[in-house]
Order: sequence, then C-alpha cells, then structure tokens
Amino acid sequence: DTGVSQDPRHKITKRGQNVTFRCDPISEHNRLYWYRQTLGQGPEFLTYFQNEAQLEKSRLLSDRFSAERPKGSFSTLEIQRTEQGDSAMYLCASSQLAEGGETQYFGPGTRLLVL
Amino acid sequence: QKEVEQNSGPLSVPEGAIASLNCTYSDRGSQSFFWYRQYSGKSPELIMFIYSNGDKEDGRFTAQLNKASQYVSLLIRDSQPSDSATYLCAVIDGGTSYGKLTFGQGTILTVHP
Repeated sequence: DTGVSQDPRHKITKRGQNVTFRCDPISEHNRLYWYRQTLGQGPEFLTYFQNEAQLEKSRLLSDRFSAERPKGSFSTLEIQRTEQGDSAMYLCASSQLAEGGETQYFGPGTRLLVL
Repeated sequence: QKEVEQNSGPLSVPEGAIASLNCTYSDRGSQSFFWYRQYSGKSPELIMFIYSNGDKEDGRFTAQLNKASQYVSLLIRDSQPSDSATYLCAVIDGGTSYGKLTFGQGTILTVHP
C-alpha cells in the first residue's frame, strides 16, 4: 500500500453513461498525475495537477474527459458519454519534489469496462 | 514523439539466475529514470530510480544508466519466482519541470523453479 487510494476499484458501465473516479493522494504530496493503461501497454500520461492547478492535459484527453483537484487535495476524473475504447485501467499517482528528484507512487487503479 | 523501448519478452529465467532487463529512450534531455514492477491485475510498484550515470544497487536489484547511449537497464540477481511480473521502464520528459512519465511497453519476466 503506497498511501494513494482510488475509488472505485472496478466500474462496469454501459456505453453512453457518465462515470467519475476519485483519487486521494498521499497527504503531503502536492503533485498528482492521472494515467491510463490498456492491456499489454505501459501507462500513458493523461493530466497533471500541482496543488489545485491543472498544468497539463494530454491530447489523449478528449472533450469527454475532465479532471479536477479542488483545494489541492483529492482529485476526480470524469468521463462523459463513455465509449468502448475508454475501457482501461485508470491510474492515479502522487509525488513531491525532494532533493535528488521526484518519484511517483501509484494508487491501486480503477479498472473501467464499457459494455 | 518521445519513446521508451524495452527489450521484447517474455523473458524466462531459472530460479537463482540473473535477469537482465533493458530499456532505451529517445529524449536526450531526460534526467530521471525509473523501474516499476507490475503484477498481473495490479498497479505499478516503484522498485528503483536512477539519476546519474553508472550503477545503483538496492538489495538484489541493480539499475544501470548510460546517458550517452540513452540506455538504462535493470539486473535482478538470485531471481525468485515472486519476481515474476511485468517490468516497466519509465522516463521523465526532459522538457518539463515536473514528473510527467513516459513508459515503455513493459517486459514480462517469468522465473521458473
């Protein structure tokens, strides 16, 4: 257990429905990342928050995706009008810049299946 | 497109042997390199990071970095069946001031008794 938690751990939804995932980072970490991982591939970067500010969004994030981090604590990732291609593991990671560099610790992930 | 490539697997080694995992990256500006282990159905777990050229050892794991060759490797000594997992190489993009990671596709390692 890295101290990063995600909820729910699994989500099955029908195409066209909206889903929302939550990530609670390690409390003292001000940096938070979302990644998406499909079967047989490494995780791909989706978006980055420093405190409450969303500083980068990947081109992978279409208009149907939105992420927030109110008050710089937990973060949510919402997918509207889900498509079968959205089926993947959604990973959240948190980190803090320290002497020598930055290391990210991942939560357990949310596995999404869109039927 | 910044790329991270890992040696094709799967890699199978006998228990007690040395497993060697390799990774090359395209971004010459990258300064930070990581190895994550991922068990089936689980999330990536950080096992090593390396920032400087040379070797870094932690228990049975040794990470090696050669920035001139844009090459990073992971050696696992005295491999155990519990080391069987997918190993992900990850690199922080050199053009960012934060930790945006680019991952390789992973190498599946199987350690057989």
